[in-house]
Amino acid sequence: ETGVTQTPRHLVMGMTNKKSLKCEQHLGHNAMYWYKQSAKKPLELMFVYNFKEQTENNSVPSRFSPECPNSSHLFLHLHTLQPEDSALYLCASSQLIGVTGNTIYFGEGSWLTVV
Amino acid sequence: AQTVTQSQPEMSVQEAETVTLSCTYDTSESDYYLFWYKQPPSRQMILVIRQEAYKQQNATENRFSVNFQKAAKSFSLKISDSQLGDAAMYFCAYRSEDFGNEKLTFGTGTRLTIIP
Repeated sequence: ETGVTQTPRHLVMGMTNKKSLKCEQHLGHNAMYWYKQSAKKPLELMFVYNFKEQTENNSVPSRFSPECPNSSHLFLHLHTLQPEDSALYLCASSQLIGVTGNTIYFGEGSWLTVV
Repeated sequence: AQTVTQSQPEMSVQEAETVTLSCTYDTSESDYYLFWYKQPPSRQMILVIRQEAYKQQNATENRFSVNFQKAAKSFSLKISDSQLGDAAMYFCAYRSEDFGNEKLTFGTGTRLTIIP
């Protein structure tokens, strides 16, 4: 069992739909991340949250809206996506730099297909 | 900005043999962390090994070891006694030591095939 769980594992949505991806970490970490993995591209960082505060938005379009209600949960709200947004979305967590255990741990990902 | 380069899109190795995956990076920082992650068909990114830049000793983890050359900005992964379960995509990643810059920067990956 992974310390970072993502739901749903697979999602198919139309371009006009609104859906959300959910991530939960059970590792006691205080930083959480969303990464996007597309075919033939390096993993792209989307958002970083430290202690529930967003510290990085890597020029992500506003049709992706993150939410971090507490240090254990992270959501990615999806609205009016495009087919090119189809990808694997990976959630991750870690302790902050300067604290022990700075390795980033990943969930199993949510496969998103936009039709 | 930091960049990570993996110049081998695909590698293959005979089962029980040794293989080395290459990674180079570019940074102006002196303190940082380097990682190798494995992504099997299940798609979960699994940490294989990590190296702190301030440590001169190369990290080892069972059959996995690294050759960290800080001056050359090189960080290769050696897999000894390759097993079928080692087949996966392998990603090299860089993480800054700076507080507030905790993100990982990844290379494009190397697909490793194990030949029975």
